[in-house]
Amino acid sequence: GAGVSQSPSNKVTEKGKDVELRCDPISGHTALYWYRQSLGQGLEFLIYFQGNSAPDKSGLPSDRFSAERTGGSVSTLTIQRTQQEDSAVYLCASSFHGGYNEQFFGPGTRLTVL
Amino acid sequence: DQQVKQNSPSLSVQEGRISILNCDYTNSMFDYFLWYKKYPAEGPTFLISISSIKDKNEDGRFTVFLNKSAKHLSLHIVPSQPGDSAVYFCAASASGNTGKLIFGQGTTLQVKP
Repeated sequence: GAGVSQSPSNKVTEKGKDVELRCDPISGHTALYWYRQSLGQGLEFLIYFQGNSAPDKSGLPSDRFSAERTGGSVSTLTIQRTQQEDSAVYLCASSFHGGYNEQFFGPGTRLTVL
Repeated sequence: DQQVKQNSPSLSVQEGRISILNCDYTNSMFDYFLWYKKYPAEGPTFLISISSIKDKNEDGRFTVFLNKSAKHLSLHIVPSQPGDSAVYFCAASASGNTGKLIFGQGTTLQVKP
């Protein structure tokens, strides 16, 4: 079956521009996570969606970051007024009902802010 | 505040020998620990996990050991194979949480033929 897909795979933007990153989770997975990996660092939790519950936004680094999950499936991570420190690989993962269930990761979107 | 730490950025091992990857954590609320493996340009893939009620979990060539008193876990790969060469991330989760994972910085393992 299809795994988690993300688009675009690479995004180069200029400082100050807005970007949207998309994630298509595995069908039937109710939990969706966004992480980012900066150069030489581990994965950093950003936001979590579970069904119709309010998302856990505790990892978002600033109010320039926001995410939506429409219809309990596709998710979009939006970064407004991008800064150079936003350059990283943004990874999406989904799991069956969250909790201790295995998270399946997509290949990531490499964002470069010039 | 790095709650999960992998202090060795890299490890090189000869094929057939044992690889030992280490991880330390500071948050005593963590009760579930995982190891993920990552190849370049791919997302991490789940390898093995352990609950805090156990001190060892084994799956084929992979064994994870947990020492709660020392807040330390390790991943043993025996025997190591060239295909094991990848970045290995340790991750932890707290009960009652959403399943969000706190990751270490990763250790790059190179297995030489």
